[in-house]
Amino acid sequence: GESVGLHLPTLSVQEGDNSIINCAYSNSASDYFIWYKQESGKGPQFIIDIRSNMDKRQGQRVTVLLNKTVKHLSLQIAATQPGDSAVYFCAEQDDKIIFGKGTRLHILP
Amino acid sequence: SAVISQKPSRDICQRGTSLTIQCQVDSQVTMMFWYRQQPGQSLTLIATANQGSEATYESGFVIDKFPISRPNLTFSTLTVSNMSPEDSSIYLCSALRMGRTEAFFGQGTRLTVV
Repeated sequence: GESVGLHLPTLSVQEGDNSIINCAYSNSASDYFIWYKQESGKGPQFIIDIRSNMDKRQGQRVTVLLNKTVKHLSLQIAATQPGDSAVYFCAEQDDKIIFGKGTRLHILP
Repeated sequence: SAVISQKPSRDICQRGTSLTIQCQVDSQVTMMFWYRQQPGQSLTLIATANQGSEATYESGFVIDKFPISRPNLTFSTLTVSNMSPEDSSIYLCSALRMGRTEAFFGQGTRLTVV
């Protein structure tokens, strides 16, 4: 069936560097994508979203890029901080939300 | 921002028993969902809770095992029936607010079946 997945299960980044988390999706008809952050013991939190009619969207320290040609989504976090340590999920939403596998972001001091 | 309260936050249950998890939202929402998350894994959608009618279940999940209620726009319950150790997981409630596209989540219920 259709699924949304991630390339890397764990990403280690030096504090202050930029982080890039990738996601591949398989449903070319997908219209709306979201990135969630899940800290230990908590539910996922919305970070940023993007619609299929856009290829880039920026928030505060975060940018989402969408490449519909190769069905690829990425989340860029600028100047990574210890508080960014979490698992990051991309998700695909129409009448329900389907989550990808997740990437654990580990910040090195 | 809207808040979802889930009860209980955690429980340890005997196999063969049932547990009902409650989800209360502090504002009216259009859609409510229930997810399961195994430790270290992603979220799997169990069902969409429909107000006043039967929930819509995803493949692999059935009403007899996971009965769901949604009597109004702000409240839903998920029951995990006849539990076995394989049901040990985190169960999360999620909702979409009116006029918004992104979902928000409760803190989850950590269930351990012994």
